[in-house]
Amino acid sequence: EAAVTQSPRSKVAVTGGKVTLSCHQTNNHDYMYWYRQDTGHGLRLIHYSYVADSTEKGDIPDGYKASRPSQENFSLILELASLSQTAVYFCASSAGTGKCCFGPGTRLLVL
Amino acid sequence: AQSVDQPDAHVTLSEGASLELRCSYSYSAAPYLFWYVQYPGQSLQFLLKYITGDTVVKGTKGFEAEFRKSNSSFNLKKSPAHWSDSAKYFCALEGGTEGADRLTFGKGTQLIIQP
Repeated sequence: EAAVTQSPRSKVAVTGGKVTLSCHQTNNHDYMYWYRQDTGHGLRLIHYSYVADSTEKGDIPDGYKASRPSQENFSLILELASLSQTAVYFCASSAGTGKCCFGPGTRLLVL
Repeated sequence: AQSVDQPDAHVTLSEGASLELRCSYSYSAAPYLFWYVQYPGQSLQFLLKYITGDTVVKGTKGFEAEFRKSNSSFNLKKSPAHWSDSAKYFCALEGGTEGADRLTFGKGTQLIIQP
């Protein structure tokens, strides 16, 4: 069954440390996205990608990098984690129709 | 710039009532509009979308939504509501060719259906 998976599902990180969140999709979708969810803010787009080896900045890219080494994989990198990056992170894939398939989410706590 | 507003952070209804969750949007061209649902502790699931054509679109789980260009709204409806509809609902907009394939979400409406 086609799906979007994320790892880890939860993580505790220290301030200033490096965090890598991974996403893998088997939907054969060209588009992949990273969103963060905070209480009171809904979902906000961090980075997205249309094709392998290329990424685009979303609405809140500061403090985040992204990597798309293949069609199936899309990573979100926090080089220097900060307290304000505590959130739930969702990866999603899409065929370009706006109908996204979301992963289960990663709960990140930065201490 | 595009934006989505869901003015009601919380809605509480009794089971069997009719539900309508409000969504308004701001976009300079023809929008593509979506509703997603998030059950507690889960990810988001697609409910329905409006691209063009009929202004009333039907989706999964018995939901439908009506697109009204006159007041830039895309309200979600269901009747009757069931306790299992309790969840958080997100309206989203994809801004056509500009910013294509980028969904902008509203802040969501937490729906509670009381048995």
